[in-house]
Amino acid sequence: AQSVTQLGSHVSVSEGALVLLRCNYSSSVPPYLFWYVQYPNQGLQLLLKYTSAATLVKGINGFEAEFKKSETSFHLTKPSAHMSDAAEYFCAVIHSGGYQKVTFGTGTKLQVIP
Amino acid sequence: ETGVTQSPTHLIKTRGQQVTLRCSSQSGHNTVSWYQQALGQGPQFIFQYYREEENGRGNFPPRFSGLQFPNYSSELNVNALELDDSALYLCASSLGLGKETQYFGPGTRLLVL
Repeated sequence: AQSVTQLGSHVSVSEGALVLLRCNYSSSVPPYLFWYVQYPNQGLQLLLKYTSAATLVKGINGFEAEFKKSETSFHLTKPSAHMSDAAEYFCAVIHSGGYQKVTFGTGTKLQVIP
Repeated sequence: ETGVTQSPTHLIKTRGQQVTLRCSSQSGHNTVSWYQQALGQGPQFIFQYYREEENGRGNFPPRFSGLQFPNYSSELNVNALELDDSALYLCASSLGLGKETQYFGPGTRLLVL
């Protein structure tokens, strides 16, 4: 079964500092991986996705993630945090085999300190 | 192009009642998936509908049921509500059953008293 693990349920960074949110995956087949963001009282918005075309994936709002097979990781980064980045971030993997199902990590809440 | 929409936005029910949540998929999408997100948790897969048929189900009891209509919109029905059903219910649409991206609606917040 495919799964993702997010390390750190809460991360605090100063405005302008590097954002690093960690995600490790477990999969017996090449995974398709996603990062979603959820602002308070809202649904999920797609930040970026990895589909094996390129290991470094650029997303919206200045975020990017690098797929590292040797480390089974797909960490999300942003060079400079902005106050508007405060939200909860979910790493996810999609299964496809008869039906399509997304399995989410437990989420990381990002706090940005002014 | 319209995104995924859900109604209502908020709902309060009492234990034992029944509830119906609605979802309109993104234009051109024929697959709808439903997720339950309890407070402080990641979304959990309930089931998926493809071309009006249930096509996959997560670990949820039969009192969670659904429908998909010819226009690909969908309903989630929950019977005999329990307190633990209080959650944000998210609908996602996609095109087909491959590894295409699922696009999420804003959710319906259900509170069971």
